[in-house]
Amino acid sequence: ETVLTQSPLTLSLSPGDRATLSCRASQSVTNNLAWYQQKPGQAPRLLIYDASTRATGIPARFSGSGSGTEFTLTISSLHSEDFAVYYCQQYNNWPPITFGQGTRLEIK
Amino acid sequence: QVQLVQSGAEVKKPGSSVRVSCKASGDTFRSHIISWVRQAPGQGLEWMGGIIPIFGTTTYAQKFQGRVTITADESARMAYMELSSLISEDTAMYYCAYVRDGADGFNYFDSWGQGTPVTVSS
Repeated sequence: ETVLTQSPLTLSLSPGDRATLSCRASQSVTNNLAWYQQKPGQAPRLLIYDASTRATGIPARFSGSGSGTEFTLTISSLHSEDFAVYYCQQYNNWPPITFGQGTRLEIK
Repeated sequence: QVQLVQSGAEVKKPGSSVRVSCKASGDTFRSHIISWVRQAPGQGLEWMGGIIPIFGTTTYAQKFQGRVTITADESARMAYMELSSLISEDTAMYYCAYVRDGADGFNYFDSWGQGTPVTVSS
């Protein structure tokens, strides 16, 4: 099973700041990695797929990078609506599909 | 965009089974996949398995093998997840999630249902 480790678990920033979230895989997932945003009481929403492609309707301030075992989600300038929990997911080595444990992005 | 609508909340006794449904609307891709993902209270996301409705082929996470059954009625655009031998640790929100093109296997989840809360309690 491919284990995804996200860091940090909690990130405290202010609106307008730049956020950098990391996801490390226990073995290569090539570029088969996605990022999701989840707000309280809501289902996850796809942000990024194939490591760096923004999903439909996702603002340009969200970007993804990386390949192999190291990945990054960057939010260039935080808006108030961006404070949420973010998960990475790999779909290269399955079953099972696996998710990271999540990074909580909170307002400082 | 494909929309997924799930059935309502369930409360079950330990040892019983639960069946959750998921109806797709919109322009679904021929070889799409419906997966099931659960989230225990305050916890992360856990993939349970999925089905390609047009072929009926299923893949399950080993953790749930023998306890979960995923089925689909392609003509009705419905998918179902049944989990048996429920224990309190199965208390969670259960989501169905859509993979647009499953021709090469599992992929990222383009859209999600709203979730179905399942509570297991005596």
